[in-house]
Order: sequence, then structure tokens, then C-alpha cells
Amino acid sequence: DTAVSQTPKYLVTQMGNDKSIKCEQNLGHDTMYWYKQDSKKFLKIMFSYNNKELIINETVPNRFSPKSPDKAHLNLHINSLELGDSAVYFCASSQSGRDNVLTFGAGSRLTVL
Amino acid sequence: RKEVEQDPGPFNVPEGATVAFNCTYSNSASQSFFWYRQDCRKEPKLLMSVYSSGNEDGRFTAQLNRASQYISLLIRDSKLSDSATYLCVVKRDGGFKTIFGAGTRLFVKA
Repeated sequence: DTAVSQTPKYLVTQMGNDKSIKCEQNLGHDTMYWYKQDSKKFLKIMFSYNNKELIINETVPNRFSPKSPDKAHLNLHINSLELGDSAVYFCASSQSGRDNVLTFGAGSRLTVL
Repeated sequence: RKEVEQDPGPFNVPEGATVAFNCTYSNSASQSFFWYRQDCRKEPKLLMSVYSSGNEDGRFTAQLNRASQYISLLIRDSKLSDSATYLCVVKRDGGFKTIFGAGTRLFVKA
């Protein structure tokens, strides 16, 4: 039973389309995150949610809209996709607290043509 | 300047070698520290937490110097399976912000 699961694993789409990535965790964690890993492999935080509330928004374009319907889910919707959005998007979760570690999903590889 | 800086490598070492990775962080408000490992086309996974007193897990030793804002990872007796990217990680803002370094690539050769 996967602890943090993301769907879809792969997504290929055209510029200008809208797409969503879903994330679910069954660890009972209260905090969830989205990270973007670009072609240079740099892993950059996008959003952090705690108990469904947005805590961190790292100057991500407003074409990206996260939604957390409950503590176990954090979805990412992207409007008007651009070539530069091509990346691997990782969902992660943790229990709040400075010493608690992140558990990542397997990633969703988005390719925008 | 990135908040967490690492030597990108790659480090190419023979099996059995000892290799050391360094990392510096710029925000003195950073609260906790970790090393993660990421294999090619996989998600990052926790390798170990890092404490000022230093900690060891088998062949891996991590050390934190808060005064210098410096974190290190030492791998002894390298194995082929150690080949991966090693990510230096810091947490701040009550733990809600987890920041990753760009990673150091390690290749261990037979």
C-alpha cells in the first residue's frame, strides 16, 4: 500500500491545455507539499499545506492552483500550460514539526509540447 | 545565491573508497537538517538526519556545524549501490519549509 501516491505518473500534453495531478497520502500526516524538479534536477518547493490551509506559496505563477479537499489529499491544477512547465512534480507529506521528515510520492513527469 | 549550496560533482570513486560531501546553508534561522538520497528517475528518500553532535548510521556519518552553517556527509567503504544523487536539506519556518540543495552526484565504479 503506497504511502504517498500520485496520478498520473506520466502526462504529455500540448501548450495551452489545462491539466491536473492528484496526490493522496495514507500516513496520517497533517502537512502536504508540491515540489517541482526541472531538467537540471533542482528540487524546488512550490506549495505547502497544513491541515488543508495554505502555508507556503513560493511565488508560483497563478496558473498553478493547488487544492486540498482534506488532510490526505493535495491536488495540483495547471492552466494554460507552457513549455517551461515541463518537469517532474513531486508530492510529499510530513507530520508538522521541525524534525519530521518528508515522504515523497513517485513523481509525475509532465511534458508540454 | 541559493539558500542551500552543494558541490554538484560528479564524484567518481572506486568501490571501497571514502568520499565526503559538503553543504552550506545561508539562512541562520534554519532549524533542522537532513541528507536525502535520490536515485535516477526516482523520488528522494531520507538517508539520515543531521545533528550538531554528529551521527552515524553504518557506513554513513553526518555532521552539522551551526556556527559555520555547514553540513557534511561521509561515506566509508563505498559500494556500487551508493551511486546516486545526495541532497542536502534544511527545514525552517516551523518545519513547513523544507529546502533542498541541488544535489551531489556520486558514481561508484567497480
